[in-house]
Amino acid sequence: AQSVTQLDSQVPVFEEAPVELRCNYSSSVSVYLFWYVQYPNQGLQLLLKYLSGSTLVKGINGFEAEFNKSQTSFHLRKPSVHISDTAEYFCAVSEGSSGDKLTFGTGTRLAVRP
Amino acid sequence: DAGVIQSPRHEVTEMGQEVTLRCKPISGHNSLFWYRQTMMRGLELLIYFNNNVPIDDSGMPEDRFSAKMPNASFSTLKIQPSEPRDSAVYFCASSLTWLADNEQFFGPGTRLTVL
Repeated sequence: AQSVTQLDSQVPVFEEAPVELRCNYSSSVSVYLFWYVQYPNQGLQLLLKYLSGSTLVKGINGFEAEFNKSQTSFHLRKPSVHISDTAEYFCAVSEGSSGDKLTFGTGTRLAVRP
Repeated sequence: DAGVIQSPRHEVTEMGQEVTLRCKPISGHNSLFWYRQTMMRGLELLIYFNNNVPIDDSGMPEDRFSAKMPNASFSTLKIQPSEPRDSAVYFCASSLTWLADNEQFFGPGTRLTVL
């Protein structure tokens, strides 16, 4: 069965600093990987996804993530964060077989300080 | 498009009462998902539908929970009777298809408090 581990429950960072949010997954087959963002009092919104091809995926709001099959990781990065990036970030995995469901990690709260 | 619409946004009820949460998916989307979010358990998939048919309800916690999708534009999640441990934020999401590579679009959620 697939599972997702987000190692950090909370990441504080100063504005304009770089940030990396870590995500590791476990699956016995090929996977699709996603990052979703949840702003306060809102639903989740897709940031980016990896399906196949290039292992470096670019998403909205300047975020990118790199798929590393050997390390079973899909870490999310941004070179310079803004106050408005303060939100909860969820990594999710699907095993890629038709119709399989998403399994979400427990989330990482990014707190950007001025 | 208005996005996924959920109602009510907030619900406060007493233990033992019936609660009905409502969802209108994005027009043209064929799949609909119900999730529950709590601090303790994170985001859990409860059930999902494809073309109005329930595909996987293995996440439904117990018989007190039921979900229906009578047509392509409406779904309900019912809890009867409700218990304090059901307090959570319930999200509805829709996607074009049930295939795993499709983006899911989430509604704003319903915050349920059971006293």
